[in-house]
Amino acid sequence: GDSVTQMEGPVTLSEEAFLTINCTYTATGYPSLFWYVQYPGEGLQLLLKATKADDKGSNKGFEATYRKETTSFHLEKGSVQVSDSAVYFCALSDLRNAGNMLTFGGGTRLMVKP
Amino acid sequence: DAGVIQSPRHEVTEMGQEVTLRCKPISGHNSLFWYRQTMMRGLELLIYFNNNVPIDDSGMPEDRFSAKMPNASFSTLKIQPSEPRDSAVYFCASSTGQGLTFFGQGTRLTVV
Repeated sequence: GDSVTQMEGPVTLSEEAFLTINCTYTATGYPSLFWYVQYPGEGLQLLLKATKADDKGSNKGFEATYRKETTSFHLEKGSVQVSDSAVYFCALSDLRNAGNMLTFGGGTRLMVKP
Repeated sequence: DAGVIQSPRHEVTEMGQEVTLRCKPISGHNSLFWYRQTMMRGLELLIYFNNNVPIDDSGMPEDRFSAKMPNASFSTLKIQPSEPRDSAVYFCASSTGQGLTFFGQGTRLTVV
């Protein structure tokens, strides 16, 4: 079945550092890929998405490129802020399946220090 | 739109009691999901509905858990009887047909 693997956290960075959170996937079909973010005490929020190979999703300074050849969707940000501290989830969804069920990675906690 | 609305936000109950969690999905969304999040297991999909019909309930832990979706605007997740190991944050989410899924704020359940 489909699966998503993320780097384990926590990832601890100083403010303005460069961020990369690795994500790789296994899927039999042609999935769409997503990054969700969960701030403390809140639900998951969609951060960005990409629906086909070579697409780049971007939002709030975060970017991720759908790499079919390496089955990856790594999340990057050039300069993190303390307010970016949260848990980040990589996910995939095969739109051919009824309900568009998401398959999530285990989540990566990011801690940004001032 | 107010987003996915869950109630209650917090629930504390005694072991053996019945617990009912409620969810109102975003209007027009045809899929609804119930997830459970714990430190040990992370985010687990319990059950999901498409057009009010349960599609996959293989994630429901055991018979103590049940979920219903009587109409397009309401769903419940019931635990009867509850146990301390059910303590977790339960999320409801709804989705369009375009793969965009929106989560509620969650219900933090504590069973003592």
